[in-house]
Amino acid sequence: EAGVAQSPRYKIIEKRQSVAFWCNPISGHATLYWYQQILGQGPKLLIQFQNNGVVDDSQLPKDRFSAERLKGVDSTLKIQPAKLEDSAVYLCASSWGQGGGELFFGEGSRLTVL
Amino acid sequence: SQQGEEDPQALSIQEGENATMNCSYKTSINNLQWYRQNSGRGLVHLILIRSNEREKHSGRLRVTLDTSKKSSSLLITASRAADTASYFCATDEEGGKLIFGQGTELSVKP
Repeated sequence: EAGVAQSPRYKIIEKRQSVAFWCNPISGHATLYWYQQILGQGPKLLIQFQNNGVVDDSQLPKDRFSAERLKGVDSTLKIQPAKLEDSAVYLCASSWGQGGGELFFGEGSRLTVL
Repeated sequence: SQQGEEDPQALSIQEGENATMNCSYKTSINNLQWYRQNSGRGLVHLILIRSNEREKHSGRLRVTLDTSKKSSSLLITASRAADTASYFCATDEEGGKLIFGQGTELSVKP
């Protein structure tokens, strides 16, 4: 079974530039999550989709972050404009059903904002 | 928001010793999960314990859950250098939202 795919693995940009991350979940997984992990901290949930609907985006900074999940499969997370404090690893995860069970994570996309 | 808090933040032991990590949380849960993260990699699920369970085993892992104290512990027996990683507890909230703690960084020296 193929795992959760993410790209790019690494991205360096200057502040005020924009960046987009892509995630392809495990086939058949209904729920998709984006987490932000700052160095030395635990993952923080940004947004949770079930199929192509948003379940929770309460911690997504909507003035600069946006996310979509087209056709309930792939997802993109965009940051525009980026700030220094957005430097982090962006982790995508997916799970069966409506969530609350085991999450399968991708390797993450490491963003450095200069 | 962070739900779980792990203790200790860092732990260094010798190979063959046991490692115990603790997690405390604040609200009622349906289940509690433990994940491992090797440096520079994604998280890997280790074990899930439901709120009506008190103890669960998986290979060298033993997890306990005390809902009255809102706490859980993860025991790794006979640790190996390959167990070196960060370990996170995660609790589910309404809607299936999984909230992670800050993690325990385990170092196992050969």
